[in-house]
Amino acid sequence: AQSVTQLDSHVSVSEGTPVLLRCNYSSSYSPSLFWYVQHPNKGLQLLLKYTSAATLVKGINGFEAEFKKSETSFHLTKPSAHMSDAAEYFCVVSRDTGRRALTFGSGTRLQVQP
Amino acid sequence: NAGVTQTPKFQVLKTGQSMTLQCAQDMNHEYMSWYRQDPGMGLRLIHYSVGAGITDQGEVPNGYNVSRSTTEDFPLRLLSAAPSQTSVYFCASRRHETGELFFGEGSRLTVL
Repeated sequence: AQSVTQLDSHVSVSEGTPVLLRCNYSSSYSPSLFWYVQHPNKGLQLLLKYTSAATLVKGINGFEAEFKKSETSFHLTKPSAHMSDAAEYFCVVSRDTGRRALTFGSGTRLQVQP
Repeated sequence: NAGVTQTPKFQVLKTGQSMTLQCAQDMNHEYMSWYRQDPGMGLRLIHYSVGAGITDQGEVPNGYNVSRSTTEDFPLRLLSAAPSQTSVYFCASRRHETGELFFGEGSRLTVL
């Protein structure tokens, strides 16, 4: 069984300040982990992916995430928020590329204040 | 390259009506899936398909049917709509090599 918990449903930051979106997971297997972003009225877009290579993963738009097995965490960070980062972010865990293996977190809505 | 195309973008139904949400992809992905998105619940898998002629249930399949006659198309049918099916529906295909999902822009369905 696998599950994913996004610890904050809403996060608000000021433009130019760091972003931290938290994700914890559980999995009986070595997981693949993803972060997706969803802008208003749009579909989800892949930000980055961890698949047991480097534990620090760099994604698009300056985002990165660190896989910490001991803490079962995969937190998403960005050094300096932009207004365009305002969106909803989903952490996703996958056992493998098999059939039912994807589990989505409930999402974190990021607000960026000017 | 259109990616994943969903139609319609918006639909209002009355209880008991039927309709089909269309999904097409042009990336030759074998895996396609339907999700519904409800506030605070993330995305939940309705049905999925690993290739033409093969479909299977996800975690919330009741009230929905699917078929996969071609690699490109994966329609979702609501046979008798209920207010509980008011939601935003996303179709996604998956690249086998990387596991990355590619999403359509969603279909917002309201059942009165």
